[in-house]
Amino acid sequence: NAGVTQTPKFQVLKTGQSMTLQCAQDMNHEYMSWYRQDPGMGLRLIHYSVGAGITDQGEVPNGYNVSRSTTEDFPLRLLSAAPSQTSVYFCASRVSERTEAFFGQGTRLTVV
Amino acid sequence: AQSVTQLGSHVSVSEGALVLLRCNYSSSVPPYLFWYVQYPNQGLQLLLKYTSAATLVKGINGFEAEFKKSETSFHLTKPSAHMSDAAEYFCAVSEQSQGNLIFGKGTKLSVKP
Repeated sequence: NAGVTQTPKFQVLKTGQSMTLQCAQDMNHEYMSWYRQDPGMGLRLIHYSVGAGITDQGEVPNGYNVSRSTTEDFPLRLLSAAPSQTSVYFCASRVSERTEAFFGQGTRLTVV
Repeated sequence: AQSVTQLGSHVSVSEGALVLLRCNYSSSVPPYLFWYVQYPNQGLQLLLKYTSAATLVKGINGFEAEFKKSETSFHLTKPSAHMSDAAEYFCAVSEQSQGNLIFGKGTKLSVKP
């Protein structure tokens, strides 16, 4: 099992550009989430999904879109990048609310 | 909605001393609670979890945590700190029938020789 795979690992965007952060898991987990990590702020939930076709907003959803067409994939789209979106992004998956989340290695995004 | 408060953004202890990292949660239903560790420039690794079985939970690397419902707390302890314990620690809460896992802001642990 590869676990949770995020691509790319690093990305630099210009303000106003759009891009998609990819997240795939091969553990057949129903629950998937996206977080951003900023110094002193911990991990803040952007969007999450409890199964294919079901998504919901987390604490900081503005400027981001998600979709969940398959169990394996949960891409995060930045619609029009802003410097405030400079952060480290983590994708996670888990079986259910009772179980621990498994994390990808993160994507370090810089918006200039 | 559930939330997590970690008291102390930075904690410094001497090698061999007790480690105590505090976590309080807010939840309207019995929660599921987790502690994660993050070493510099790495992802998050599960230390331990509470899912309504024993209230004292043992994890990896000698860490343990006790769920206290009356205090809404889930503090992380280790009897004797090692230099290798220096990292950032995150407490997280999940609720029954909820898909979101909410994290605290983290506590950075420093260990002095």
